[in-house]
Amino acid sequence: LAKTTQPISMDSYEGQEVNITCSHNNIATNDYITWYQQFPSQGPRFIIQGYKTKVTNEVASLFIPADRKSSTLSLPRVSLSDTAVYYCLRAQGGKLIFGQGTELSVKP
Amino acid sequence: NAGVTQTPKFQVLKTGQSMTLQCAQDMNHEYMSWYRQDPGMGLRLIHYSVGAGITDQGEVPNGYNVSRSTTEDFPLRLLSAAPSQTSVYFCASSFSTGVQETQYFGPGTRLLVL
Repeated sequence: LAKTTQPISMDSYEGQEVNITCSHNNIATNDYITWYQQFPSQGPRFIIQGYKTKVTNEVASLFIPADRKSSTLSLPRVSLSDTAVYYCLRAQGGKLIFGQGTELSVKP
Repeated sequence: NAGVTQTPKFQVLKTGQSMTLQCAQDMNHEYMSWYRQDPGMGLRLIHYSVGAGITDQGEVPNGYNVSRSTTEDFPLRLLSAAPSQTSVYFCASSFSTGVQETQYFGPGTRLLVL
């Protein structure tokens, strides 16, 4: 099962918008794209999920183009507490296929 | 609800010893799974269960056994621990196996095998 590809790390400053792009060239027709957040010494936590176009919730926005070969997680106005690892996943039934994740560091 | 709970939080084993990592959920979820996370890496699926009495292998099942006798519990057994099994283990659950289901993760068990 092919995994997703995303940048290993990103730096940002408080108040900025952060966009993390994920590549999933071999996505299957029935796959959803799901993003999880993980803080140190904790289990991952669901952020947002989408199939196509744009999805927005109280935490983030997710943009998926028509060809679905990539997706972009957008975090508006990040704070220090958003420092974490962000995983872009393919969701196949109950299986979550994790890649390496993007370690986001938010600086004051 | 307590959500997904895992015990113990931390364990040290010697090579060849056996132990069981416990996982329980009180959300009446049908789907449960076990992942391991090695330093600097994402999580890898070990075993999963779509309901009581049903289990299947994930990406890295070797060296691990599971059973699902009740909906609430999904223990992970290491029959003969090896240093390569040093990792952080996470249990997760979701209401069903639908592609849009959110999975809820436990706090993890840190295992060190000497």
